[in-house]
Amino acid sequence: GAGVSQTPSNKVTEKGKYVELRCDPISGHTALYWYRQSLGQGPEFLIYFQGTGAADDSGLPNDRFFAVRPEGSVSTLKIQRTERGDSAVYLCASSPSGSGITGELFFGEGSRLTVL
Amino acid sequence: AQSVAQPEDQVNVAEGNPLTVKCTYSVSGNPYLFWYVQYPNRGLQFLLKYITGDNLVKGSYGFEAEFNKSQTSFHLKKPSALVSDSALYFCAVNEGSYIPTFGRGTSLIVHP
Repeated sequence: GAGVSQTPSNKVTEKGKYVELRCDPISGHTALYWYRQSLGQGPEFLIYFQGTGAADDSGLPNDRFFAVRPEGSVSTLKIQRTERGDSAVYLCASSPSGSGITGELFFGEGSRLTVL
Repeated sequence: AQSVAQPEDQVNVAEGNPLTVKCTYSVSGNPYLFWYVQYPNRGLQFLLKYITGDNLVKGSYGFEAEFNKSQTSFHLKKPSALVSDSALYFCAVNEGSYIPTFGRGTSLIVHP
């Protein structure tokens, strides 16, 4: 079956530009997560959706970052006025309904963002 | 607040030898602990987890991990390493929330 799909796999942009990263979770998974992974670091939590709503967005670093999941499936992470420090791999993960806090996450391959 | 530490940036082991990748955690209650593996240019893949019960948990690819409450550790082990085990390994902890916290990762290098 299909796993978590993220597009684009690579994105190079210039400082100040707007970027959108897309995540298509495993069908039927209600929980969706965005993490950011900088070089040499572990995944850093950004935002968690349960269904259509953002259940926890405490990891978003500032108001330039925003994410939506309007129909409870595909999610888009939006970054305005990009800065060089935003360069990282953005990881999306999903998990099934009912797996709760003990369930494992299923990760996509990530979107590598480079801000010049 | 929940946190996890992986004290080694890199672990080197010869093929056929046993391997251990260390992880310690900090929580105020009961931890749920996970190990993930990341191969180059790939997403993280789940290896195993400890929720409750037996302190020794077995997972994918012959890996196992031992939960030690007194030492707040959850070290990953394998009796006989393969070159193909070379990858980044991440420990994660969850305590009463839906959001796992990950360690910074340990690079495992298995030499032929």
